[in-house]
Amino acid sequence: DAMVIQNPRYQVTQFGKPVTLSCSQTLNHNVMYWYQQKSSQAPKLLFHYYDKDFNNEADTPDNFQSRRPNTSFCFLDIRSPGLGDAAMYLCATSIGTPGSPLHFGNGTRLTVT
Amino acid sequence: EDQVTQSPEALRLQEGESSSLNCSYTVSGLRGLFWYRQDPGKGPEFLFTLYSAGEEKEKERLKATLTKKESFLHITAPKPEDSATYLCAVQAYGGSQGNLIFGKGTKLSVKP
Repeated sequence: DAMVIQNPRYQVTQFGKPVTLSCSQTLNHNVMYWYQQKSSQAPKLLFHYYDKDFNNEADTPDNFQSRRPNTSFCFLDIRSPGLGDAAMYLCATSIGTPGSPLHFGNGTRLTVT
Repeated sequence: EDQVTQSPEALRLQEGESSSLNCSYTVSGLRGLFWYRQDPGKGPEFLFTLYSAGEEKEKERLKATLTKKESFLHITAPKPEDSATYLCAVQAYGGSQGNLIFGKGTKLSVKP
């Protein structure tokens, strides 16, 4: 089955220690998104790639970076995680046409100690 | 500012007790309204897209409807396996490429 796969499912990092989360897709979708979801909150868009074009949301902290080396993979880098960055990080893909749904992976739960 | 508000925050039903979840939205121009189901510790699972007022979609015990200001997710004769958080989201004209603006969700619990 075509899928969005996130690794790892659970990640523990120390305060200030860089961490990378990964996402891969077999849907061959043009657009890949990273959302942050804190407990009982709505998912919030951090940034997205349309093919190789990177689009950052205005209120995404500089501490968050992303890379998309090819169509299938996308990475989220948190340069210096703070306690407030503990959350579920969701990767999603879309074909990118207006009105098309997003397809989500199962997320990575990040804990910062 | 584009905004999505869902109510109630939590809903507890007995098995077989039908009910509705509400999603109110304000958006400059609606490309689509989406319903997702999210189980604990998992990513949102796509259910429906609605594009224009008056449109309805059905899947098993779920039926989604859309007006110019809100959407309802009707659950008919729910079963315990319908327990989950249901998220509503809108896609607006002029927003980031395909980005969805989500509500906080309604947490549904169905007791046997």
